[in-house]
Amino acid sequence: QQQVKQSPQSLIVQKGGISIINCAYENTAFDYFPWYQQFPGKGPALLIAIRPDVSEKKEGRFTISFNKSAKQFSLHIMDSQPGDSATYFCAAVNTGGFKTIFGAGTRLFVKA
Amino acid sequence: GAVVSQHPSWVICKSGTSVKIECRSLDFQATTMFWYRQFPKQSLMLMATSNEGSKATYEQGVEKDKFLINHASLTLSTLTVTSAHPEDSSFYICSARGGSDTNTEAFFGQGTRLTVV
Repeated sequence: QQQVKQSPQSLIVQKGGISIINCAYENTAFDYFPWYQQFPGKGPALLIAIRPDVSEKKEGRFTISFNKSAKQFSLHIMDSQPGDSATYFCAAVNTGGFKTIFGAGTRLFVKA
Repeated sequence: GAVVSQHPSWVICKSGTSVKIECRSLDFQATTMFWYRQFPKQSLMLMATSNEGSKATYEQGVEKDKFLINHASLTLSTLTVTSAHPEDSSFYICSARGGSDTNTEAFFGQGTRLTVV
């Protein structure tokens, strides 16, 4: 059962453009939603995270938008750079059990 | 952020042998550690959750006798792949979190690439 659905599977964006990755969840017990960035051969690194009592969170060029009623959240990368090329995973955490459930991942390629 | 270190970064072993992977939290006490498995171009799949001093909880479909997890201290958890076979070749990643109820962030290690030949 896919508890966190992520799209698109891959994304190509021009340098300076906006990268948008979308996720949806089903389990209303999730109450913490992190995004991770992973480079080849490395572990995932936390990028930004949000709780469902907030509709938007911005850190530098990265913004999470959260729609609690629709059970959807998205990552926006503004002014995308070639160095942003990586795989991005959304995730959902049930802080009661502390398990992190990952989306399928989005491979982002930013063209110079 | 907090640092989680995995060792080794990569390992090659012969089929039938056992391999141990270490996961250490370097600057915090990890009451809970998680082990994930990641195949190429796929997502991270949770294998098991371990709490210090108690037996690990395995996810459905994960063989606990094959993937032995020990969380003997607040800074160290180990995953031993027993009688490894080529199909066990994968990228294994651990994560760790502290004990505060308000701290839901888990920090990830850099991963271990296991190749069984």
